[in-house]
Amino acid sequence: GAGVSQSPSNKVTEKGKDVELRCDPISGHTALYWYRQSLGQGLEFLIYFQGNSAPDKSGLPSDRFSAERTGGSVSTLTIQRTQQEDSAVYLCASSLAPFFRVNTEAFFGQGTRLTVV
Amino acid sequence: AQKITQTQPGMFVQEKEAVTLDCTYDTSDPSYGLFWYKQPSSGEMIFLIYQGSYDQQNATEGRYSLNFQKARKSANLVISASQLGDSAMYFCAMREGDSGGGADGLTFGKGTHLIIQP
Repeated sequence: GAGVSQSPSNKVTEKGKDVELRCDPISGHTALYWYRQSLGQGLEFLIYFQGNSAPDKSGLPSDRFSAERTGGSVSTLTIQRTQQEDSAVYLCASSLAPFFRVNTEAFFGQGTRLTVV
Repeated sequence: AQKITQTQPGMFVQEKEAVTLDCTYDTSDPSYGLFWYKQPSSGEMIFLIYQGSYDQQNATEGRYSLNFQKARKSANLVISASQLGDSAMYFCAMREGDSGGGADGLTFGKGTHLIIQP
């Protein structure tokens, strides 16, 4: 596709269940980021992939969160034993190179709205 | 059509000068919010400033101000007295509709890479 695609767009789950969020970046983009935005707050960085490796996992809020990326393309963010505080919009972004490179454009998906009830 | 347009992929600015980062938006919704975020090399997105469509005055937060021109659908970020630590990517974003919070359908621009030179 032409842009970053995230699925599902909306997910309602019961507390304690596991959820898997998917991000399909723009073809050829090596850098992939996950963020979340909770109600009334700014964006929170979760994890960054360069290719298939994740040099920075420091943003993952707890060990219930994990992410992987295979083939340098699609990434999945998994939240185990979901809690109500996990409710947020989860955003994925991709770019040709790490963001701190000059003139690198970043492209964001529209996000997955996760609601834990 | 793009909903958020940032026309400057990169900018070099001398330290201590003021800098304006451009952002134009497109929406038919009378209620919307505009955001600016900063992303340093660490990768996190840092919220800078917010402007609501019904706000009468331009938003200001320390050295940051938002030059909101509603008729032109423009929401430029102005950074006064730039510092070396301001070097980062800056994203303009919009939320349409009145969701009452920040977790609803944000649309981001492509970003502007700002480099402050000593």
